[in-house]
Amino acid sequence: SSELTQDPAVSVALGQTVTITCQGDSLRHFSAAWYQQKPGQAPVLVNYGKNNRPSGIPDRFSGSNSGNTASLTITGAQAEDEADYYCESRDTSANHLFGGGTKLTVL
Amino acid sequence: QVQVKESGPGLAEPSQTLSLTCTVSGGSISTAGYYWSWIRQPAGKGLEWIGRVYTSGSTNYNPSLRSRVTVSLDTSRNQFSLKLNSVTATDTAVYYCARARYYYDSTGPADVAFDIWGLGTMVTVSS
Repeated sequence: SSELTQDPAVSVALGQTVTITCQGDSLRHFSAAWYQQKPGQAPVLVNYGKNNRPSGIPDRFSGSNSGNTASLTITGAQAEDEADYYCESRDTSANHLFGGGTKLTVL
Repeated sequence: QVQVKESGPGLAEPSQTLSLTCTVSGGSISTAGYYWSWIRQPAGKGLEWIGRVYTSGSTNYNPSLRSRVTVSLDTSRNQFSLKLNSVTATDTAVYYCARARYYYDSTGPADVAFDIWGLGTMVTVSS
């Protein structure tokens, strides 16, 4: 299968920890990248590979991969973390795939 | 600091061709270690990868769009472009151009991710 599956919506209390997951067969071969998208804005890369963060991304964002599942964990969620989160990887032809996105609500 | 910016008509007629250009500033489009992609997002929906062009000019496309898409590179202008033929209302979306960056470990390229995105441009398909 060349699909990535995410839960449509997740919520977390302010300051608590939340994990957003992404499942797909391609994740057995290629690592995932994670993007944060706020309303009306372009996506921003927040984590990639074996838990790497681009410069400027807070260390509360961490990633992990196991089997066919990739996860993005936000430790101590802040109000500004409320956004849509997309996982992304590649299929066996190295074409890019995006998950359907998870809407994170910070309560 | 490399930036990318989309440009082109905001309206396309059904059955016609949608054409967009992405201008790269702050760096050369030919720099090794990167390639360039188009990604779109219909209103209220998720992201869809359209295709990519390597610095060599070779391309790959989303299988679901392959028959209608062309992505090309213009190194003299530091731009790359998208052409999508035979458009319908379902092609209405925000179109983003983005840079894909290779991340290396001791064995070579280990990961690829879209590290730079344009602001996006809205294209509506309507008569």
